[in-house]
Amino acid sequence: GNSVTQMEGPVTLSEEAFLTINCTYTATGYPSLFWYVQYPGEGLQLLLKATKADDKGSNKGFEATYRKETTSFHLEKGSVQVSDSAVYFCALRSPGGKLIFGQGTELSVKP
Amino acid sequence: SAVISQKPSRDICQRGTSLTIQCQVDSQVTMMFWYRQQPGQSLTLIATANQGSEATYESGFVIDKFPISRPNLTFSTLTVSNMSPEDSSIYLCSVGRDQETQYFGPGTRLLVL
Repeated sequence: GNSVTQMEGPVTLSEEAFLTINCTYTATGYPSLFWYVQYPGEGLQLLLKATKADDKGSNKGFEATYRKETTSFHLEKGSVQVSDSAVYFCALRSPGGKLIFGQGTELSVKP
Repeated sequence: SAVISQKPSRDICQRGTSLTIQCQVDSQVTMMFWYRQQPGQSLTLIATANQGSEATYESGFVIDKFPISRPNLTFSTLTVSNMSPEDSSIYLCSVGRDQETQYFGPGTRLLVL
């Protein structure tokens, strides 16, 4: 069945550091891939998405490229800010619309 | 995107009681879903809310415990029945319009004592 695996957290970085959160998936075909972010005490917000191989999703300085060769969708940001502290979820869309989420990675950015 | 509201935003309930959570969208959407996020965990789909018909439940979730209604294309409710402390979670509705992207409501934080 379809599944998503994320790197375990928590991840602690200093402000302006480079961020990578790894995400790999198992799926039949080529599902759409997503990154969602959950700030403390809030619901999920869509951060970025990619709908086909080699697509690059980007938003708010975050980027992720759909790599079918490595079945990966790693999230990157060149310079993190304290305000980026949140939990990040990688997800894929199954047929019928169901989202399958990874376990989430907590990011803490220190000034 | 869609503007999604949920009521209540949080509640504290006694075991054995039931709570109904409402999800309202500002425009018509084709798909509505209900997810559960247990403390410190990821999200798990409870069911797909189907307009005018019975919801489609995921493995491990049953209609008697989580009855769902969806009377139109902008509104749905999820009831958590006969609650126990294990039901303490965040319950989130999500909506999809373009068959690709889902947007989430702010969630309902439930604590069962």
